[in-house]
Amino acid sequence: EVQLLESGGRLVQPGGSLKLSCSASGFTFSHYAMYWVRQAPGRGLQYISTIINTGAVTDYADSVKGRFTVSRDNSNNMLYLQMSRLSAEDTAVYYCVKEFSVGAPVWHFASWGQGTLVTVSS
Amino acid sequence: QSVLTQPPSVSAAPGQNVTISCSGSSSNIGNNYVSWYQQLPGTAPKVLIYDNSERPSGIPHRFSGSKSGTSATLGITGLQTGDEADYYCGTWDSSLSTGRYFFGPGTKVTVL
Repeated sequence: EVQLLESGGRLVQPGGSLKLSCSASGFTFSHYAMYWVRQAPGRGLQYISTIINTGAVTDYADSVKGRFTVSRDNSNNMLYLQMSRLSAEDTAVYYCVKEFSVGAPVWHFASWGQGTLVTVSS
Repeated sequence: QSVLTQPPSVSAAPGQNVTISCSGSSSNIGNNYVSWYQQLPGTAPKVLIYDNSERPSGIPHRFSGSKSGTSATLGITGLQTGDEADYYCGTWDSSLSTGRYFFGPGTKVTVL
C-alpha cells in the first residue's frame, strides 16, 4: 500500500524559511515523479512543484519559482520542499503526491499524503 | 484565478444523479486530458477520474467522466450521503510559455 507521510509544517514568521519532508513507502520511490500541491485554508488546490524520478528535472508554479526548491533522496525514499521568503499567501496545507505511472511525469496525481500545515504569520 | 470554471455547488437528494461541469479553453481542456478529484471533508484529495474518463481501480462505476471540446463533465449516479465532498477538475494548460497544471476552483456537492 502506498503511504506518503508529510512533516515539517509549523508556524513561521513572514520572510522565514521552512523545509517540508515527505516519507514514501509501499512502492519503488525511485521510479516515480513526485509533486507538491497546496491548499490554502478554505480554498482550492494549487499545483506547486514537480520532480522527476531521478531528481534531474524540476518544475515550479510561477507563484513559488525562485523561492521554493524541490528535491528527493531516492536512497531513503524521501521528498523535500525547501521554502524561503515565505509570506502569508503561502499559508496552506502542503500535500506530497505520487505520479500514477512510472517514468516521465504526466500529472496524474494518483496518491496523496495527509498533508502538513504551514502557517506564515507574525 | 483558475483557467478552469466549475459551478460552486450542486445538490441533489440521495439516489439522484448529478453532473459537475468544468469549462476551459483550447489551451487546456481542449487539448489535454482532464482528471477529477474528490475531497471529503477534512481529508486529502483522491483521484476519481483520469485521462478524461478512466477510473482507477477501486473507484465505483457510479462515477464517470467525459470530455467534449473545451468542457469536461463528472457524473455521479445514485448519489449517496458519503458523496458529500468537494470535487475538483484538473488539467494542463499550455497558454503560458512553459505550461502549467491547473485545478478548477472546486464544486461542493451536497446531498439533501
